[in-house]
Amino acid sequence: KQEVTQIPAALSVPEGENLVLNCSFTDSAIYNLQWFRQDPGKGLTSLLLIQSSQREQTSGRLNASLDKSSGRSTLYIAASQPGDSATYLCAVSQQETSGSRLTFGEGTQLTVNP
Amino acid sequence: DGGITQSPKYLFRKEGQNVTLSCEQNLNHDAMYWYRQDPGQGLRLIYYSQIVNDFQKGDIAEGYSVSREKKESFPLTVTSAQKNPTAFYLCASRRWNEQFFGPGTRLTVL
Repeated sequence: KQEVTQIPAALSVPEGENLVLNCSFTDSAIYNLQWFRQDPGKGLTSLLLIQSSQREQTSGRLNASLDKSSGRSTLYIAASQPGDSATYLCAVSQQETSGSRLTFGEGTQLTVNP
Repeated sequence: DGGITQSPKYLFRKEGQNVTLSCEQNLNHDAMYWYRQDPGQGLRLIYYSQIVNDFQKGDIAEGYSVSREKKESFPLTVTSAQKNPTAFYLCASRRWNEQFFGPGTRLTVL
């Protein structure tokens, strides 16, 4: 059974700092990996999607990497801002025959202090 | 304006009552999903549907039921058999490999 772990569970940084969030998964037979952002009491916003054949994806100040063989992904946030404060969730999708269902980590709660 | 809507935003239920959560999408996506989120935890899959009139159980389907009579709609019923229904419920739809989420419904059992 796939298990996804995110470290750290919480992170507090000063504004302007670069930071890395970590995600690991136990079964490397994934179809893709998705990073989401969740604000308190809200739904999930998709940030980046990495296909299993890709090594990284970039969107603005965000860069996500994937090392499928070692079961790891990182989300790099450059020049953090207070508006980046949220919970970041990592999720992996198994092979498409399983309905592309996602298995989620428990998230990293990020606070960026002004 | 395309997207996924969930209603209501907040729902209160007495013990022993069934309640239905609405999920509608106008994105023309075939696949739809229901997840449950408990405080400080990730999301867990309840049910999913890849096509109209077909759906499969997820990891925690006990005490829940769904229907998929229309492509746009995937309602979730929380039955009285669900022992701990208080949670945040999220609906999603999928385009190709990427899932998109609605704003969620917070269900509280009184």
